Amino acid sequence: KQEVTQIPAALSVPEGENLVLNCSFTDSAIYNLQWFRQDPGKGLTSLLLIQSSQREQTSGRLNASLDKSSGRSTLYIAASQPGDSATYLCAPNRDDKIIFGKGTRLHILP
Amino acid sequence: DTAVSQTPKYLVTQMGNDKSIKCEQNLGHDTMYWYKQDSKKFLKIMFSYNNKELIINETVPNRFSPKSPDKAHLNLHINSLELGDSAVYFCASSLGRYSNQPQHFGDGTRLSIL
Repeated sequence: KQEVTQIPAALSVPEGENLVLNCSFTDSAIYNLQWFRQDPGKGLTSLLLIQSSQREQTSGRLNASLDKSSGRSTLYIAASQPGDSATYLCAPNRDDKIIFGKGTRLHILP
Repeated sequence: DTAVSQTPKYLVTQMGNDKSIKCEQNLGHDTMYWYKQDSKKFLKIMFSYNNKELIINETVPNRFSPKSPDKAHLNLHINSLELGDSAVYFCASSLGRYSNQPQHFGDGTRLSIL
């Protein structure tokens, strides 16, 4: 059974800093992994999807890496902004079933 | 022109009632999902349908019955509502199973049981 752990559970950093969110998962037989962001009272927005054959994906200030064999993924956010404040969710996908971590609540201080 | 839309956005009802939540996607996707996010914000898959066929049923009580009249719609009917059903229910869709394309989520339906 897939278990997903995200560290840290919460993070507050001053605006402008670079930061890394960590995700680990127990079942490495996945075919992709998504990072989502969830704003309070809203649905989820897909940020990046990394296929199992890929090592990383980049979109703007975001970079996600995947080490499938060790069951780890990281989300790197460069030059953080107050608008980045949200909960970030890691979601490995096996057999079209996404298992979510509990998320990292990120607060960027202006 | 919302991609995945759910109605209603809020639903407050009494224990024992039966209620339905509707979901529609205009993305032309083949696969749709229902997720439940509990009070601790933990998000878990409930059901998945591919082209109107049930693919995933995650040991959800049979009081919950999804219905897919066509591949653009996946509705969720809940019988005999219980206090523990209070949660936010999210609908999502994707291009297809194993498509390696992201899932798109609706804004959620906040269900409160009195």
